[in-house]
Amino acid sequence: EAGVAQSPRYKIIEKRQSVAFWCNPISGHATLYWYQQILGQGPKLLIQFQNNGVVDDSQLPKDRFSAERLKGVDSTLKIQPAKLEDSAVYLCASSLDPYPNEKLFFGSGTQLSVL
Amino acid sequence: GNSVTQMEGPVTLSEEAFLTINCTYTATGYPSLFWYVQYPGEGLQLLLKATKADDKGSNKGFEATYRKETTSFHLEKGSVQVSDSAVYFCALSKSGGYQKVTFGTGTKLQVIP
Repeated sequence: EAGVAQSPRYKIIEKRQSVAFWCNPISGHATLYWYQQILGQGPKLLIQFQNNGVVDDSQLPKDRFSAERLKGVDSTLKIQPAKLEDSAVYLCASSLDPYPNEKLFFGSGTQLSVL
Repeated sequence: GNSVTQMEGPVTLSEEAFLTINCTYTATGYPSLFWYVQYPGEGLQLLLKATKADDKGSNKGFEATYRKETTSFHLEKGSVQVSDSAVYFCALSKSGGYQKVTFGTGTKLQVIP
């Protein structure tokens, strides 16, 4: 089966610019996650969708980050304006269901460098 | 809140050596515990999991036992191979309601021939 697709693979921008990341989860997966992984740290959950509704965005910096999941399938994460500390790898993951034992499937991530 | 603490890396071992990567957790209730692995250039993938106390997860020669009394979930392998070189992440998922997975900082393993 096809895995979680993410694009772009790399992105370099200057601070105060905008950037968007795209994710296509595994077909049929109802739950979609966006994680931020700063170098040397573990992935941190930014936002979690169940179908097209948000179930957890408690760690999303809402003054600059936004995310949507169109029709419960693809998702886009946007940063506007970017700051230097946003440099990180942004990981998208999906799971069949949102329950605690479900396996997460990860994409390869988008590496963002903010200069 | 929930948290996971892993031993710092990098860990460098010779092929066929014994591997232990320590992981301890802090959580309310009875979380599920996971080890995820990230090979160079690839996304994270689930290695093994355990959902209740004294459960042992195993896969590809790796094992980890859910120890509630010591709040630990140490990863072990009896004989590592060069192909095991990767970053290993310990994680937990809170019980009840929607899944929220909390990851440790990761431990890089390098196996040399």
